[in-house]
Amino acid sequence: DAMVIQNPRYQVTQFGKPVTLSCSQTLNHNVMYWYQQKSSQAPKLLFHYYDKDFNNEADTPDNFQSRRPNTSFCFLDIRSPGLGDAAMYLCATSRATGSSTDTQYFGPGTRLTVL
Amino acid sequence: AQKITQTQPGMFVQEKEAVTLDCTYDTSDPSYGLFWYKQPSSGEMIFLIYQGSYDQQNATEGRYSLNFQKARKSANLVISASQLGDSAMYFCAIGPGSARQLTFGSGTQLTVLP
Repeated sequence: DAMVIQNPRYQVTQFGKPVTLSCSQTLNHNVMYWYQQKSSQAPKLLFHYYDKDFNNEADTPDNFQSRRPNTSFCFLDIRSPGLGDAAMYLCATSRATGSSTDTQYFGPGTRLTVL
Repeated sequence: AQKITQTQPGMFVQEKEAVTLDCTYDTSDPSYGLFWYKQPSSGEMIFLIYQGSYDQQNATEGRYSLNFQKARKSANLVISASQLGDSAMYFCAIGPGSARQLTFGSGTQLTVLP
């Protein structure tokens, strides 16, 4: 089945130790998104790629970086995780035809714990 | 700017009964979509249903229907014949617009009682 896959599902890291989260998709969608979701809150968009074009949200900390080496894969790098970065990280994709029908499809998420 | 308001932090419903989750929105875009997602405790965001701003008929997907009232700027989700597995957080969202983004509401935690 076509889907959005995130690895790992659970990630534990130490304060200040770099960590990379992975997302892949078989939907062949041209847009990939990274969201941060803290407990009992709505998802917050960090950035997205439209093909190879990177779009950063204005309030995304510099500590968060992303790479998209090809259409299928997108990575979230947290250079120096702090305790406040503990959250669920959700990857999503969309076809982005430019119409109002563009639906975002989400992966299962990676739950990050920072010790 | 787009905004979604979900005024019900928590809702309870008896199994097999119908429930309505409220969502109101605000946007200056002439063309937009309204989306509902379900998020169980496992964390995955599951797409449920979509309504386009120019759609004349309310969207339906199985037990889910969207009560779209454009003049009132509301897009309520109706779940018929609730099941225990429907217990989850439900998010209403608007988008994507030219910025290719979704704006989410704060969510409603639905609990289905046996």
